[in-house]
Amino acid sequence: EAQVTQNPRYLITVTGKKLTVTCSQNMNHEYMSWYRQDPGLGLRQIYYSMNVEVTDKGDVPEGYKVSRKEKRNFPLILESPSPNQTSLYFCASSPGLAGGPVEQYFGPGTRLTVT
Amino acid sequence: LAKITQPISMDSYEGQEVNITCSHNNIATNDYITWYQQFPSQGPRFIIQGYKTKVTNEVASLFIPADRKSSTLSLPRVSLSDTAVYYCLSAGTYKYIFGTGTRLKVLA
Repeated sequence: EAQVTQNPRYLITVTGKKLTVTCSQNMNHEYMSWYRQDPGLGLRQIYYSMNVEVTDKGDVPEGYKVSRKEKRNFPLILESPSPNQTSLYFCASSPGLAGGPVEQYFGPGTRLTVT
Repeated sequence: LAKITQPISMDSYEGQEVNITCSHNNIATNDYITWYQQFPSQGPRFIIQGYKTKVTNEVASLFIPADRKSSTLSLPRVSLSDTAVYYCLSAGTYKYIFGTGTRLKVLA
């Protein structure tokens, strides 16, 4: 089944404890992206990757890191989480662009709480 | 940076046509307008996308006037299962800017 998977689905952690949220897709997509979703703010793009070893900042990159060493994986790293990073996180992927943006496929989300 | 605004919520009855308007006054020249649907505890799901004029697929229509400062998602004959949050977004080559979403409630 074609899908985007995220792990963990739920995570409660403490301020300053490094964590990684994994994202994997099995559709051979070139493009992957991370979003955070907060009440009243919709989804905001954190980072995206156009292909292996190519990443760039979205609108809210502060406090996050990403890497893209393999096409299928795009982990989100929080080196020193803070309470303002408590949010619902979504990973998404899409095929290579062909003259414009294409449909993104979203994962199920990871609910992160930082105390 | 495009600012996307949408109504916070709408109610409709089963079988009616629903139109959700989105405002994007300063959308980038090359950006597309895209709509996603989101159910509770799930990731957003693509509905439709367009650049200008009208686009129609099996589930919705998208109307974009010539000035591209707004767009309207049209859902024909909604059912209870269409109750969800609908997001309008400005879709660039790699960057995506979401609106804050419209919560649609379909009543029996």
